[in-house]
Amino acid sequence: DIQMTQSPSSLSASVGARVTFTCRASQAIGNYLAWFQQKPGKAPRSLIYAASTLQSGVPSKFSGSGSGTHFTLTISSLQPEDFATYYCQQYNTFPPTFGGGTKVESK
Amino acid sequence: EVQLVESGGGLVQPGGSLRLSCAASGFSLSNYGMSWVRQAPGKGLEWVSSIIGSDIYYADSVKGRFTISRDNSLYLQMNSLRAEDTAIYYCAKDLWAYYDILTGYSPFDHWGQGTPVTVSS
Repeated sequence: DIQMTQSPSSLSASVGARVTFTCRASQAIGNYLAWFQQKPGKAPRSLIYAASTLQSGVPSKFSGSGSGTHFTLTISSLQPEDFATYYCQQYNTFPPTFGGGTKVESK
Repeated sequence: EVQLVESGGGLVQPGGSLRLSCAASGFSLSNYGMSWVRQAPGKGLEWVSSIIGSDIYYADSVKGRFTISRDNSLYLQMNSLRAEDTAIYYCAKDLWAYYDILTGYSPFDHWGQGTPVTVSS
């Protein structure tokens, strides 16, 4: 199975900050990489697929990049509604696998 | 508007069975791959099973115990349940219709709200 590793596991940031976090795959997955946002007690929300394509309705403050084994998610200006846990997932091969998540907390 | 609504979760004893349902609306269920993803308390997301066209996939941890199916809804029949199956179970829809996928697989786009399963004596 392909292992997905996210870093950091948590970070503290202020409203308005630009934040970037990383997802690494244990083997090359092309651009078959998705990002999800999850708030406590809520279902995941799909943000990005194909490493950099925003899902419908997702604001442009979110951006993704990368290919192969190294990927990043950036929030350009953190807003109160963005404090959540973010997961990456590869869908290049079965089984699809998720990273352990990055929790974004208020500083 | 796409909507996914799970039901069927609850408290069950180890070794017991449950059948989860995911009612889908706003799209043709038979044209899209559908998956079950679970989340144990305080843990991350774990893929469980997918049905894409006529192809079916299972995680090793549930193979032989869980069965995914679909007619007008998506189902997950869970047998021989274990404590480690305790989780919130989400259904998720593929972004692309399975016949539109040229290579690889489709990402998810929509998720249901989840249904909790607790396996405990």
